Formats: sequence, structure tokens, C-alpha cells
Amino acid sequence: DTAVSQTPKYLVTQMGNDKSIKCEQNLGHDTMYWYKQDSKKFLKIMFSYNNKELIINETVPNRFSPKSPDKAHLNLHINSLELGDSAVYFCASSQDEEGELYNEQFFGPGTRLTVL
Amino acid sequence: QQQVKQSPQSLIVQKGGISIINCAYENTAFDYFPWYQQFPGKGPALLIAIRPDVSEKKEGRFTISFNKSAKQFSLHIMDSQPGDSATYFCAASYSGAVWCAGKSTFGDGTTLTVKP
Repeated sequence: DTAVSQTPKYLVTQMGNDKSIKCEQNLGHDTMYWYKQDSKKFLKIMFSYNNKELIINETVPNRFSPKSPDKAHLNLHINSLELGDSAVYFCASSQDEEGELYNEQFFGPGTRLTVL
Repeated sequence: QQQVKQSPQSLIVQKGGISIINCAYENTAFDYFPWYQQFPGKGPALLIAIRPDVSEKKEGRFTISFNKSAKQFSLHIMDSQPGDSATYFCAASYSGAVWCAGKSTFGDGTTLTVKP
């Protein structure tokens, strides 16, 4: 049973295209995240989404937009892809304890995006 | 501004040796300090975590040492094994504040190689 799943695992596309990455978690968690991991393995949070509240990392270009159809899904849509968007994108989820965030994050397997 | 500084960037240890990775943080509001382990081609996975009300936590061969006054914490891997070869990330996060729900700041990672 996969706790956090992402599709596709690999995505190769041309500059300027629009693409989406899907994420689903079956853990019943309240909070989901998107991370970008670059070629140097630096891991940067892009968004977190909790009970319909979106928290954005202000450094993320507005070409990136998360979309959550329900609590178990948080998709990432990217417009007008650029060469610098090439990276591995990880989805993650965590469970909030009442009044306090438990904050152990469960990561998906990643989507390797290559922009040509 | 990097909120969590991790060192060293890479580490080579002989089998059976002790691996030590250090992290320092700035913001005293952080109250949850996890370490994640990432194998090539996989997402990060929680290894061990500590809250600032204790100075040490041990799970098997892995120990976190926490120095609140110095705002530093470290991961010690005793009897290091080749199977421990991976990238290790420290992180720091807030809890209980909705506006920053689930936001974690990661260190830049340490690539550990354990030689047989």
C-alpha cells in the first residue's frame, strides 16, 4: 500500500509547455506539501495546504499553482515551463494533532521533471 | 536567509565508525527537529526526531543530541554500515501556528558514504 503516490514518475517536456503532477495520499492526513529538489539535492518547500488554507513560499514563481480537489489530493500545475524548472518534485503529507502540528512528513517517490 | 545550516556537505566513514552530522538554527520559535534519510531515487523518510524539551534521543544506532542554548543539534550514527550510505537532511519546524502550518525548513543535506 503506497502512502503517498505521485504521477508521473518521469516527465520530459519542452520549454513553454504547461504540465501537471498529481499527488495522492491515503494516510488521512490534513496537510500536504510540494517540495522542489534541485541537482545539488537542496530541498525547498514550495507550498503547504492545510484544511483549504494555502501557504505559499514567497520565492515560488506564480507559474506554479497547487490545486486540491479534496483532502487526499494536491496536484501541482506549472505554466510556461522554463529550463530552470528541471528538478525532482516531491509531494508530502503530515497529520495535525489538535492544536499542535505533529509534523512528521511522509514523502512520495518524486517526479523527475526535465525541461528541454 | 538560510534558517538551518547543515555540515558537512559530504562525509566518508569506514564501516563500524561513527558518523556525525551537525545542524544549527537561528529561529528560537522552532520546536520540532527531525532528521530525514534519503536513498537515491527515493523520497526522504523520517529517521528520528526530537523536541527541545530533551537533550538527547536514541533509536537503535541513531542518536540526536540537542543543545538548546547553542541552537544546535546533531545526528550520530554508531557502528555505521554501508547500508547507511544516503543523504541526510536535518529540518526545523514550527508547531501550533496556523499561518505557518506544516512549514519545515530543511538543511542542505549531507551525503554519507560508508566504506566497507
